[in-house]
Amino acid sequence: GDSVTQMEGPVTLSEEAFLTINCTYTATGYPSLFWYVQYPGEGLQLLLKATKADDKGSNKGFEATYRKETTSFHLEKGSVQVSDSAVYFCALSWAGNNRKLIWGLGTSLAVNP
Amino acid sequence: ETGVTQTPRHLVMGMTNKKSLKCEQHLGHNAMYWYKQSAKKPLELMFVYNFKEQTENNSVPSRFSPECPNSSHLFLHLHTLQPEDSALYLCASSQDRGRYEQYFGPGTRLTVT
Repeated sequence: GDSVTQMEGPVTLSEEAFLTINCTYTATGYPSLFWYVQYPGEGLQLLLKATKADDKGSNKGFEATYRKETTSFHLEKGSVQVSDSAVYFCALSWAGNNRKLIWGLGTSLAVNP
Repeated sequence: ETGVTQTPRHLVMGMTNKKSLKCEQHLGHNAMYWYKQSAKKPLELMFVYNFKEQTENNSVPSRFSPECPNSSHLFLHLHTLQPEDSALYLCASSQDRGRYEQYFGPGTRLTVT
């Protein structure tokens, strides 16, 4: 079945460090891919998305490229800030599964000053 | 109020109590969702409503009873819960069932004693 695998956290970085959070997926169709972020005490927010192969989603300095050949959608940011401390969720959805969101377990990021 | 709101934010209840969680969306959306978020597990979709009609029930125990009186409001009625039901319950909405982007509320942290 469809699934999403994320790197285990927690990830701890110093401010201005480079961030990569790995995400790979398995899907029987051609999914859209998403990164959601959950700040402490809040619900999830859509961070970025990509709907087809080679698309790059970007928002707030974060980027992720839809790589069909490696079935990956890794999240990157060139210089993290303390305010980026949150839990990041990778997810997929496609028309064949009724557009249900399939979620990874989440990766916790802590950025120290 | 903007976005998706949930009340209460925190709830402690005994196994014999009856309580209700409330969700309201101010986005003009037609689809609403209940999710359960537990530590070290993927986000679990519980119920989906589209234009006030329940379109999905993912084998949720009958001690959880959803209600959607209109497209803006969603309730989750709780009775005779178990300690393993303790979790963060998230409400989300989307423009309609066919849209990928979901907007989440901050959640209700439920503790069953």
